[in-house]
Amino acid sequence: DTAVSQTPKYLVTQMGNDKSIKCEQNLGHDTMYWYKQDSKKFLKIMFSYNNKELIINETVPNRFSPKSPDKAHLNLHINSLELGDSAVYFCASSSRQGGDQPQHFGDGTRLSIL
Amino acid sequence: QKEVEQDPGPLSVPEGAIVSLNCTYSNSAFQYFMWYRQYSRKGPELLMYTYSSGNKEDGRFTAQVDKSSKYISLFIRDSQPSDSATYLCAMTYPGGSYIPTFGRGTSLIVHP
Repeated sequence: DTAVSQTPKYLVTQMGNDKSIKCEQNLGHDTMYWYKQDSKKFLKIMFSYNNKELIINETVPNRFSPKSPDKAHLNLHINSLELGDSAVYFCASSSRQGGDQPQHFGDGTRLSIL
Repeated sequence: QKEVEQDPGPLSVPEGAIVSLNCTYSNSAFQYFMWYRQYSRKGPELLMYTYSSGNKEDGRFTAQVDKSSKYISLFIRDSQPSDSATYLCAMTYPGGSYIPTFGRGTSLIVHP
């Protein structure tokens, strides 16, 4: 049973479209994250939620809007997609917030903008 | 200078070799150090987790932290082709809402 699952695995779409990525964790964790991994493999934090509350919002264009309907789910909606949004987006969770908490990652959503 | 530096590689070794993967960092406040392994088209998975300085061993893997030199290492003994992956180091402060700072990862290839 997958601990952190993301859908879809692949997303190919055109510039200007709006798309959503969904994430679910069955670990009972309180904290969830969205990361962006670029072509050089750097993992950059985008957002973090703790018990459905936004706690970290890095310098991300406001075209990106996260939503956490409950603490097991964290979705990411992207408006007006741009070429620079092409990357792999990872969802992760940890048992609670805090830098000392190891994170469990999903397998990523590969977003390609045409 | 980036907070965490990691040579991207690739590092290519024969099966059975001892592998040494390293990261340097600039922020002396880091207290927790992690190594993640990422297979192609998969998410990072936690491999080792250490607090402060010292060594930690788990099977063929040993994590070493030298806070005085701001240098961490991951050693893999008797490397196997299945160890071929990208290894990312990560480090952070305790408590609060701090997020780990990741290195860019080192690509390791173990050839039979």
